[in-house]
Amino acid sequence: GAVVSQHPSWVICKSGTSVKIECRSLDFQATTMFWYRQFPKQSLMLMATSNEGSKATYEQGVEKDKFLINHASLTLSTLTVTSAHPEDSSFYICSPKKGSNSYNEQFFGPGTRLTVL
Amino acid sequence: AQKITQTQPGMFVQEKEAVTLDCTYDTSDQSYGLFWYKQPSSGEMIFLIYQGSYDEQNATEGRYSLNFQKARKSANLVISASQLGDSAMYFCAMRAQGGSEKLVFGKGTKLTVNP
Repeated sequence: GAVVSQHPSWVICKSGTSVKIECRSLDFQATTMFWYRQFPKQSLMLMATSNEGSKATYEQGVEKDKFLINHASLTLSTLTVTSAHPEDSSFYICSPKKGSNSYNEQFFGPGTRLTVL
Repeated sequence: AQKITQTQPGMFVQEKEAVTLDCTYDTSDQSYGLFWYKQPSSGEMIFLIYQGSYDEQNATEGRYSLNFQKARKSANLVISASQLGDSAMYFCAMRAQGGSEKLVFGKGTKLTVNP
């Protein structure tokens, strides 16, 4: 398998503050990064897709100005939740993709649990 | 649009017995891949098994096998010899080849293995 790290693993913040989540692919280069969100007892929902060096593509209903995604390098992507509110409390999971030939695998970070008070 | 359906919110199985977790899918794509993931309470997504739409044989990985019935658009996960550590959420997912290649997930099945 591949090694993917996320930091922080959990964070508690006050309403109105911004939180940055880092995702690193430690042993491969990720040409594409997927960011998912998972509410309690629900499935994973794709928030956005980003390719290294280009702007992210957001899924319908996801505010791009609220969830800022930066994929500046092939091993690092960040998700910033700006002006967080309690309804943003969720489990955020990154999923880097190696390349077009890795169609039969898709790995995930360990996730970041965000609680907004 | 792609859709994954998992109709079993929860399943129970006795330790050492086999269990089948259902997954049906809907897609108009000819080339696609099907994945199964395990999510324990820690939240990490653990890859279990993959089946390509053109694979003629059912995929197997240790105690996991995928019962792929293309005509019925089903991709059920079979876990043999269940262990207590198998208790977790299980998600079926699909990816179309080409395009964004994002994964679309089903709602999941919570498996409980009883001693």
